[in-house]
Amino acid sequence: KAGVTQTPRYLIKTRGQQVTLSCSPISGHRSVSWYQQTPGQGLQFLFEYFSETQRNKGNFPGRFSGRQFSNSRSEMNVSTLELGDSALYLCASSPTDLAGAYNEQFFGPGTRLTVL
Amino acid sequence: KNQVEQSPQSLIILEGKNCTLQCNYTVSPFSNLRWYKQDTGRGPVSLTIMTFSENTKSNGRYTATLDADTKQSSLHITASQLSDSASYICVVSVETTDSWGKLQFGAGTQVVVTP
Repeated sequence: KAGVTQTPRYLIKTRGQQVTLSCSPISGHRSVSWYQQTPGQGLQFLFEYFSETQRNKGNFPGRFSGRQFSNSRSEMNVSTLELGDSALYLCASSPTDLAGAYNEQFFGPGTRLTVL
Repeated sequence: KNQVEQSPQSLIILEGKNCTLQCNYTVSPFSNLRWYKQDTGRGPVSLTIMTFSENTKSNGRYTATLDADTKQSSLHITASQLSDSASYICVVSVETTDSWGKLQFGAGTQVVVTP
């Protein structure tokens, strides 16, 4: 079974631009979560989607948005990029929206975004 | 304030030696604790998952322990290999596990194994 795929893997943008990142979950997984990872902050939760519905949102400004399609693929968008948005953006998928001890989340390789 | 603190921030060990990483948390109520391994340029991969009633869980050369009373966990790496060089992240889930958004992540411990 193919793992979680994210595209593109690397991206360079300039301040003020916008960017769209894509995530394809493992086949059959309906839950997709997005995280931002920076050296100083570690992993921070952005949002979670399950069956095309946003279930939870982290503490990020409205410039960060996302959506999920009927085939469970997800995109996240960042508008008006700032230097501080430079980070590794990780997507994770799970067959369930329950984070119990018997459920696992599988991460993709991430998209490395650099804002100049 | 981060509810999950990991120590040390980084460590260097010789190949073949053992090491122990620490994770202290204040998350309450608590459901489960996970340890992830993240290789450079890759996404995290789950090593172990423990509920509050479990004291220890192993995955090959990785052994995690949990003391829910003191809210401490450790990850022990036995006979380290060069491939163990990675960041190890402790993740704690609150009791209401109805969302992946309720996971609390530690900042990670960077482990470097040298020949």
